[in-house]
Amino acid sequence: DAGITQSPRHKVTETGTPVTLRCHQTENHRYMYWYRQDPGHGLRLIHYSYGVKDTDKGEVSDGYSVSRSKTEDFLLTLESATSSQTSVYFCAISPPNSGSTGELFFGEGSRLTVL
Amino acid sequence: LAKTTQPISMDSYEGQEVNITCSHNNIATNDYITWYQQFPSQGPRFIIQGYKTKVTNEVASLFIPADRKSSTLSLPRVSLSDTAVYYCLVFSGAGSYQLTFGKGTKLSVIP
Repeated sequence: DAGITQSPRHKVTETGTPVTLRCHQTENHRYMYWYRQDPGHGLRLIHYSYGVKDTDKGEVSDGYSVSRSKTEDFLLTLESATSSQTSVYFCAISPPNSGSTGELFFGEGSRLTVL
Repeated sequence: LAKTTQPISMDSYEGQEVNITCSHNNIATNDYITWYQQFPSQGPRFIIQGYKTKVTNEVASLFIPADRKSSTLSLPRVSLSDTAVYYCLVFSGAGSYQLTFGKGTKLSVIP
């Protein structure tokens, strides 16, 4: 299995508080992604990174920011959490040959509950 | 990005072959077709990818007709452990690393 670690795995927080989720990889892959998964919506891309300090928005980026200061770490921040951001968040990485395979490796997920 | 359409759910008995069809009418020339499997409380897992005709690996087969407007994931002799959500994705191999996941097909295998 690809070396991807997400932390925390579970978090309960209150509306208006900041939250940071961390994705750590040991594969030294260039591309990293954050998805959220909600019932009835499948997985939706929030942000992705194509290198250190290089990030771009996905389809549901409002309310989220990301940072990548090191190859191995990709952080997802909710500046002021809202109940609509209650979800399961998945980090993913893509190996160098994935441009021809569409293969991503996913982490175990982080379940966030915003009260 | 090409949109995909697949059934919301399917039921199958153990030991049967299961075929899940995905429609992608506006697939582009450079696009590949990829399937993922997701078990409860886990991240999705890559199963198979193809461009045209037939691809087979140890997990599944993927059939793609000549017009490429649809594809069929075939799971031979399913077991209870194949109960999962299966996602069909279309992506461009031309430097695009963004994948768009739809709602997937929830396969329930019945003993």
